Amino acid sequence: DSGVTQTPKHLITATGQRVTLRCSPRSGDLSVYWYQQSLDQGLQFLIQYYNGEERAKGNILERFSAQQFPDLHSELNLSSLELGDSALYFCASSVWGGVTDTQYFGPGTRLTVL
Amino acid sequence: AQTVTQSQPEMSVQEAETVTLSCTYDTSESDYYLFWYKQPPSRQMILVIRQEAYKQQNATENRFSVNFQKAAKSFSLKISDSQLGDAAMYFCAYRSSEYGNKLVFGAGTILRVKS
Repeated sequence: DSGVTQTPKHLITATGQRVTLRCSPRSGDLSVYWYQQSLDQGLQFLIQYYNGEERAKGNILERFSAQQFPDLHSELNLSSLELGDSALYFCASSVWGGVTDTQYFGPGTRLTVL
Repeated sequence: AQTVTQSQPEMSVQEAETVTLSCTYDTSESDYYLFWYKQPPSRQMILVIRQEAYKQQNATENRFSVNFQKAAKSFSLKISDSQLGDAAMYFCAYRSSEYGNKLVFGAGTILRVKS
């Protein structure tokens, strides 16, 4: 158990819908990362937050957005869902987000878009 | 942009034997970290081992060790005394010292352990 929690574990929804994925980092970690794992794209970085501020953005679609709240939990919002958004979404956390940090991953949320 | 290549889509090893998983990366940076993550059927991403680029000594964690060749940009993982529980997908990952320190992953290698 990494100490990172993600809810829900599974999510099944329809095209065009909007969903919210939630992540709670390990106690003491200030930085949160979101990654998407899909069959065709592999594992790719979406976005990073540090202490409530966006720090880096990767291959995140405009239909997707995220935020980190004062209690440091983070939410990833996916809207206008398409079939291709079906994937495993991981949240990871680290202490301060620097290169010396190790990122610890949550169990993931499996999103299925029908 | 940094890239990570795992050229072995799948590997097999007999229980108690040793196996080496390959990884190469491309970067122009001098300061970075390299990681191996394990993803068992549960899909959880588990850190196996990490290597700092500025350290010449290869990292070791129990039965897991790496062969880090900085000049060749190679970072292989050796698993000794393989166990059934080692069966998983293994990802090599590069961590940049720039822009958010994101992880860049390879495509992964499926490791099968035969009893």
